[in-house]
Amino acid sequence: DAGVTQSPTHLIKTRGQQVTLRCSPKSGHDTVSWYQQALGQGPQFIFQYYEEEERQRGNFPDRFSGHQFPNYSSELNVNALLLGDSALYLCASSLEGAGGLNGETQYFGPGTRLLVL
Amino acid sequence: AQKVTQAQTEISVVEKEDVTLDCVYETRDTTYYLFWYKQPPSGELVFLIRRNSFDEQNEISGRYSWNFQKSTSSFNFTITASQVVDSAVYFCALSTGANSKLTFGKGITLSVRP
Repeated sequence: DAGVTQSPTHLIKTRGQQVTLRCSPKSGHDTVSWYQQALGQGPQFIFQYYEEEERQRGNFPDRFSGHQFPNYSSELNVNALLLGDSALYLCASSLEGAGGLNGETQYFGPGTRLLVL
Repeated sequence: AQKVTQAQTEISVVEKEDVTLDCVYETRDTTYYLFWYKQPPSGELVFLIRRNSFDEQNEISGRYSWNFQKSTSSFNFTITASQVVDSAVYFCALSTGANSKLTFGKGITLSVRP
C-alpha cells in the first residue's frame, strides 16, 4: 500500500519565480491538505482540497493556490516567490468524506524542500 | 481559535531513561481530536496516535504511552526506556469538529544519547 508521495524532493528557485509542487495521496484517501513548515517551527495549514474544490484555507495570501484532480492527486502553486517562502512543504491525505468534520488522521508525505534565493 | 502549546523545546536524555513530552491545548469546541506525530531528520511526519475528546482513556503502545486529561487540557506523551532511534522532533496537534485542519505546536526536539 503506497503512502503519500510528493515531488520534487528539493527545489531551488529565485525571487519572483513561480513553483508547482505535486502530491499523490495514500490509496483510498479523498482529501489532500497542504502545510508549510519553516525551519524550527511546526507545520502551518495552507489549504485543503476535497472533490476538486478548496474546502478550507489558512492564513496564506492568494499567491498560494492549488488544484485537485479527479484521481485525488493535488498540486500546490506559489506565484511571485519571496525569500520567506523557503520552507518544507508537506502534503497530507485523509479519508474525510463529504462531512469533513470527523478529525480523521492525516498521513503525511516526505515533503518538498523549497529554497528561494 | 485553537492553540497547541509545547513548552519544552529541547530535551536530552541518556538511553533507557523515561521521558515525558508535554502538550497543552486550547479550543472552545466540545468535539476535538488530538494527535502526536514524530518527525525524524528525514522530514516526514510519522503518525503516532489520535484521540477524540470523548475518550479520556490512557493508551499504551509498547514503550509509548499517552495521558489525556481534559481537566487540565493536556495530552502528554511518555516514552519508557528511551532508545537512540527515538531521537526526533515530536509534534502535538489539534483539530476540531468544526474544522479538520491540524493546528500544530512548535515541536519538542528529543535527543537520546547512547
